[in-house]
Amino acid sequence: EDQVTQSPEALRLQEGESSSLNCSYTVSGLRGLFWYRQDPGKGPEFLFTLYSAGEEKEKERLKATLTKKESFLHITAPKPEDSATYLCAVQGGSGGSNYKLTFGKGTLLTVNP
Amino acid sequence: EPEVTQTPSHQVTQMGQEVILRCVPISNHLYFYWYRQILGQKVEFLVSFYNNEISEKSEIFDDQFSVERPDGSNFTLKIRSTKLEDSAMYFCASSRDRAGYTFGSGTRLTVV
Repeated sequence: EDQVTQSPEALRLQEGESSSLNCSYTVSGLRGLFWYRQDPGKGPEFLFTLYSAGEEKEKERLKATLTKKESFLHITAPKPEDSATYLCAVQGGSGGSNYKLTFGKGTLLTVNP
Repeated sequence: EPEVTQTPSHQVTQMGQEVILRCVPISNHLYFYWYRQILGQKVEFLVSFYNNEISEKSEIFDDQFSVERPDGSNFTLKIRSTKLEDSAMYFCASSRDRAGYTFGSGTRLTVV
């Protein structure tokens, strides 16, 4: 069974204070690892897909990296508008799985001005 | 930017009643999904749908749940006899190639 563990559960940063969120996973045959942003009462908003170890992707102040066991979401010089819950999900490719996503519980990021 | 649209945004229903949650996926997408998120818990997979049939479902998706694509644009989730534990946010998602999902804003279902 695919499993995703995110840490920390919550993170408070000052504006401009860079940090990283962690996503550890176990999956049979990784098809993709996804990062989403979720605002309160809203659906997950797609950020990145990573497919293989060593891959990196960037978008504005966010950078996602992937190893064989974990992924990191690095946030550089965050702003208050980056406050949200960040979700990690894996898409496995064996055991009959047909591209469903398995999510972690998320990291609640709060950026104070 | 194309969106997945869900209605209603909030539905309150009595235990034992049937509810239908509606979704309009992105028009050129081929794969459709329902997920749910109980307050404070993970987003959980319910069902995937492709080529007018269910392609995968979770243990949660038992006989009280059904999905349908009644026309070329809508995708619905029906819960036949709601229970208190069905209270959750229900998210519809669609994808063109199964790699990048787009989620809707969700329907908050409250069973009383």
